[in-house]
Amino acid sequence: KNEVEQSPQNLTAQEGEFITINCSYSVGISALHWLQQHPGGGIVSLFMLSSGKKKHGRLIATINIQEKHSSLHITASHPRDSAVYICAVRWSAGGTSYGKLTFGQGTILTVHP
Amino acid sequence: NAGVMQNPRHLVRRRGQEARLRCSPMKGHSHVYWYRQLPEEGLKFMVYLQKENIIDESGMPKERFSAEFPKEGPSILRIQQVVRGDSAAYFCASSPGADRYGYTFGSGTRLTVV
Repeated sequence: KNEVEQSPQNLTAQEGEFITINCSYSVGISALHWLQQHPGGGIVSLFMLSSGKKKHGRLIATINIQEKHSSLHITASHPRDSAVYICAVRWSAGGTSYGKLTFGQGTILTVHP
Repeated sequence: NAGVMQNPRHLVRRRGQEARLRCSPMKGHSHVYWYRQLPEEGLKFMVYLQKENIIDESGMPKERFSAEFPKEGPSILRIQQVVRGDSAAYFCASSPGADRYGYTFGSGTRLTVV
């Protein structure tokens, strides 16, 4: 079964701390996405990765294809970073399954001032 | 260039009524995906459409749910005879192609069945 697992499920931090959220998946993928969702809000795409590392502002995303693992890091965390962070994968091309995303359960991040 | 537009943002329906959710993809995007987020659950794939074609509907409930993406106009997710269990947030995403491309998500439609 194709699965995506995230850890931790809940994460509480103090402002300024370095944060890491992890994502593991079961089989080969063509791309991995990190998404952000604020309570009651829409979904924002943060990164799409197929290899290596990407950085945008205080956010860094890495992926290790051999280990089937990705991490999202937030440096110098801020209360406005409080949100749900979701890992999603697009499985390797094959039939009609390659277009859609399969999602992890999400990590609820709370950053206190 | 507006993003993915979903409407309505909030929709309240009584049990047994029909719900129509609309999604206008980004300009130049011909691939549309619908996802559902049940309360306290993660996002789940429902259906993948290209203009005038359903590519993958493996996530759609067998009954009462249908989707279309006509040549002109928005994609529509239609739920007939809604039940309380249909209450959820429904998100649409679009992309210019099936692979190697990122997604843009809409703000979602929150359906409440009373």
